[in-house]
Amino acid sequence: IAGITQAPTSQILAAGRRMTLRCTQDMRHNAMYWYRQDLGLGLRLIHYSNTAGTTGKGEVPDGYSVSRANTDDFPLTLASAVPSQTSVYFCASSEDPSTGELFFGEGSRLTVL
Amino acid sequence: GQNIDQPTEMTATEGAIVQINCTYQTSGFNGLFWYQQHAGEAPTFLSYNVLDGLEEKGRFSSFLSRSKGYSYLLLKELQMKDSASYLCAVLDSNYQLIWGAGTKLIIKP
Repeated sequence: IAGITQAPTSQILAAGRRMTLRCTQDMRHNAMYWYRQDLGLGLRLIHYSNTAGTTGKGEVPDGYSVSRANTDDFPLTLASAVPSQTSVYFCASSEDPSTGELFFGEGSRLTVL
Repeated sequence: GQNIDQPTEMTATEGAIVQINCTYQTSGFNGLFWYQQHAGEAPTFLSYNVLDGLEEKGRFSSFLSRSKGYSYLLLKELQMKDSASYLCAVLDSNYQLIWGAGTKLIIKP
């Protein structure tokens, strides 16, 4: 089934550790996004990529980095995790950066202790 | 600043009609989107409005008034499976989606 795959589904890690959340899509979409979702808040954009080889900062980029080496993969790295990064992380893609119709992965639930 | 407001929670009865409102103040406007998100799952796209008026898609309809900065999602013939959060989002002048916090809809038999 075509779509977006995220891994891991769930992870608990100690503060200060490095963590990479993986995201792969097979729809050949140009744009990809990483959001975090916290209770009572809307989805907040961390980083985005309008096309392979380019990335941009969203609303809450501090403490996170991304890369877009090819069309399909868009990993999100936490260089040194902190408890405030405990959240549910969603990767999403869209055919074109100018559209608001996004396709989401199933999410990665991250707990930083 | 940019802001999207929608009620935190609503309750409705199976078989009834419910209207979920969304007001917005954003830097520019390139469309308003509604997404559905069941608990523990990913958001899924429901509807898109870029011009004023009503867009109907089966049991779901979405309305937009750009002059009022207002939209609503209308759900008819409610079913238990409609219990979910409904997210309102606006595509701003930079083609970034600005999200509301979502409205949790509880359906009672």
